[in-house]
Amino acid sequence: DTEVTQTPKHLVMGMTNKKSLKCEQHMGHRAMYWYKQKAKKPPELMFVYSYEKLSINESVPSRFSPECPNSSLLNLHLHALQPEDSALYLCASSLSFDREHEQYFGPGTRLTVT
Amino acid sequence: GENVEQHPSTLSVQEGDSAVIKCTYSDSASNYFPWYKQELGKGPQLIIDIRSNVGEKKDQRIAVTLNKTAKHFSLHITETQPEDSAVYFCARGEYGNKLVFGAGTILRVKS
Repeated sequence: DTEVTQTPKHLVMGMTNKKSLKCEQHMGHRAMYWYKQKAKKPPELMFVYSYEKLSINESVPSRFSPECPNSSLLNLHLHALQPEDSALYLCASSLSFDREHEQYFGPGTRLTVT
Repeated sequence: GENVEQHPSTLSVQEGDSAVIKCTYSDSASNYFPWYKQELGKGPQLIIDIRSNVGEKKDQRIAVTLNKTAKHFSLHITETQPEDSAVYFCARGEYGNKLVFGAGTILRVKS
């Protein structure tokens, strides 16, 4: 089983709202990732968690706040977003981050900021 | 990290024909090269990958070749079917497990 699940599937939020995206995997993976994908573009890495600790933050604005409560769960908290933050947000996981392991993606959350 | 160049950006083939997508890179330290297929409204799906200690890998109708000297790798799909229509992304592994993606190829298989 190589399944990564994400909720919600779609999200519409205003610029003053606070919302959270959730990601879950039960493959025993210890690295989890958040990516942002704009239409017709490849995924762009935002954050990497390794063994529940933040390893990489690709200079993402503070209105995006990641959290890794345990080895199976990854959250992305959203606050005061801008319309240009509208995109597909993808979660991925891999066995670890210290070697080149296969990364498996979830289906994504389609976010629209109004 | 240094980019991955992917060509062509769009590719139309007749059902049953072969499709080839090529990617080039410049970082000679890269050792891992995955390919992802992304259908409309879905997340990228890992379809095949190759590591630098092999030159070719096959999985049914899909194959990937790697030329480390020339720094390019290619995806080959034989006997294409309409369900192969999607966006395909190549990538290279960077330090640790960070991926650098190509710009993507839209593959259309006409029946």
